[in-house]
Amino acid sequence: GAGVSQSPSNKVTEKGKDVELRCDPISGHTALYWYRQSLGQGLEFLIYFQGNSAPDKSGLPSDRFSAERTGGSVSTLTIQRTQQEDSAVYLCASSPLMNTEAFFGQGTRLTVV
Amino acid sequence: GENVEQHPSTLSVQEGDSAVIKCTYSDSASNYFPWYKQELGKRPQLIIDIRSNVGEKKDQRIAVTLNKTAKHFSLHITETQPEDSAVYFCAASTGGGFKTIFGAGTRLFVKA
Repeated sequence: GAGVSQSPSNKVTEKGKDVELRCDPISGHTALYWYRQSLGQGLEFLIYFQGNSAPDKSGLPSDRFSAERTGGSVSTLTIQRTQQEDSAVYLCASSPLMNTEAFFGQGTRLTVV
Repeated sequence: GENVEQHPSTLSVQEGDSAVIKCTYSDSASNYFPWYKQELGKRPQLIIDIRSNVGEKKDQRIAVTLNKTAKHFSLHITETQPEDSAVYFCAASTGGGFKTIFGAGTRLFVKA
């Protein structure tokens, strides 16, 4: 069946521009997560959704970052006024229930020039 | 806030030897501990997980142990093979179970 899908797979943007990253989770999965992975680094937690709500936004690096999820399905991560330090791979994952395996998308590689 | 620490950051072993990766977590309410493997250029994938009502779990050459009192858990890979070379991440659930925090990762090299 279809896995977690992210788009675009690669994005090059100029410093100061806004970008939107999209995640299509596995159908029926309640939980959705966003992580950031810089080159050769670990998985930095950004935000998670339980249905359409985001109980914990403390992982977002700054107020330039925001995320939403609609219809309990698709999620969008928006970065406003991008900076070079935002360059990383942004990974989305979904899981059917709490305390279960998270299935990752292939990621969006964001490069800010 | 919640934190997961992972050691070592890099591990090099000879083919056939065992590899052990250790993690500690801070949230005593955590009750789900997955391990993910990430090969170069690919997405992380679950290899094994353990829940707080179990002390040890084994799946072929991979085993995980959990010590809730000490708040640490470990991954053991026996009879390592070159295809085991990858980055391994431990993780712990928190925030009622939906929020999963990852360790910094261990880069495992298995030399043939």
